Amino acid sequence: DGGITQSPKYLFRKEGQNVTLSCEQNLNHDAMYWYRQDPGQGLRLIYYSQIVNDFQKGDIAEGYSVSREKKESFPLTVTSAQKNPTAFYLCASSYGEINTEAFFGQGTRLTVV
Amino acid sequence: AQSVTQLDSQVPVFEEAPVELRCNYSSSVSVYLFWYVQYPNQGLQLLLKYLSGSTLVKGINGFEAEFNKSQTSFHLRKPSVHISDTAEYFCAVRNNYGQNFVFGPGTRLSVLP
Repeated sequence: DGGITQSPKYLFRKEGQNVTLSCEQNLNHDAMYWYRQDPGQGLRLIYYSQIVNDFQKGDIAEGYSVSREKKESFPLTVTSAQKNPTAFYLCASSYGEINTEAFFGQGTRLTVV
Repeated sequence: AQSVTQLDSQVPVFEEAPVELRCNYSSSVSVYLFWYVQYPNQGLQLLLKYLSGSTLVKGINGFEAEFNKSQTSFHLRKPSVHISDTAEYFCAVRNNYGQNFVFGPGTRLSVLP
């Protein structure tokens, strides 16, 4: 079945440690996105990528980094510079055309203690 | 810049009653509109989308939405809700120039027995 896989579903890390969240898609989508979700704040865009080896900052990129070495993969690293990393992280993908919807993974809940 | 407003952060409704979740957007160009549903600790699932053509769009689970260009609205409706419709609902917009999706803050629908 085609879809987007995020792993792990739950992640615990100590403060000051970097952590990488995985996102893989087999939908042959060109574009991939990372969103952060906090209670009552909807989805905020962290980074997005329209093609391999290219990505752009979203609205809240500080403290995060990404790579897009393969079309299928768009991992997100939460660095120690992110002041409040505890949140629900959602990965999405879409075809490159504007008139298409985004497909979402099941999310990763990151808790920093 | 695009923006999406969902005026109702929470909507309680009794089972089998009708419901309308409001969505207004701002954009100076033509837009594509989407409604997504999110169940607890899960990703977002597409309910329906407006790309062009008929302004009344039917989606999954008995939901429908009407695009009103003059009022820049895309309200979601269901004539009779079920307990299983309890979830968070997000309106999103994408325009001819923007590469990204802009999401509203979400409306939490609670269906009461």
